Amino acid sequence: DIVMTQSPDSLAVSLGERATINCKSSQSVLYSSDNKNYLAWYQQKPGQPPKLLISWASTRESGVPDRFSGGGSGTDFTLTISSLQAEDVAVYYCQQYYSTNTFGQGTKLEIK
Amino acid sequence: EVQLVQSGAEVKKPGESLRISCKGSEYSFTNYWISWVRQMPGKGLEWMGRIDPSDSYTNYSPSFQGHVTISADKSISTAYLRWSSLKASDTAIYYCARHAPKSPETPMVLYIDYWGQGTLVTVSS
Repeated sequence: DIVMTQSPDSLAVSLGERATINCKSSQSVLYSSDNKNYLAWYQQKPGQPPKLLISWASTRESGVPDRFSGGGSGTDFTLTISSLQAEDVAVYYCQQYYSTNTFGQGTKLEIK
Repeated sequence: EVQLVQSGAEVKKPGESLRISCKGSEYSFTNYWISWVRQMPGKGLEWMGRIDPSDSYTNYSPSFQGHVTISADKSISTAYLRWSSLKASDTAIYYCARHAPKSPETPMVLYIDYWGQGTLVTVSS
């Protein structure tokens, strides 16, 4: 199984500041046949199911604010929130879908 | 609007069996894989396994293989997660989730695009 490791486990950022979450896979999730990274990001707020934010490592879902962006390729990925808003407080998970599915352990994002 | 509606919370004793359900609506049920995801109290998401409702083909995480059974009844657009003998450590919220549409361009099962509301399973003597 591909192991997904996120860092940090928790993060406190001031409102309006940038937040960056890292995700590393134990093997590449870049599929050579289509040159796509099989990596998604989800947001989970307390008491709610997760919500898809980004697929293909960098494709933002419809309705997701453009302050959210995804980057990276191969084994190293990032989720960046350019200007943190109060409603962004949540746990964020990366997930690979290159070989079945595995999630990272989650990163808890709080307001400083 | 796509919906995945899960069955209600359950309280069971160790050793009992249980089946929870997930009904899909407002989309073609057989065209999308369904996964089950566990979230233990205060913990992260764990992918358990998935099913292709068109032919009931399944994949399981090694961590869950043999401990649960995933099935589907396409005639009623419903997927199931079953335990034959529950343990206290099965206490968790269980989510069903729909994968993005199958694509002829890739053999992979894609990311999850919709989630059910979750079913809380409590196992206690």
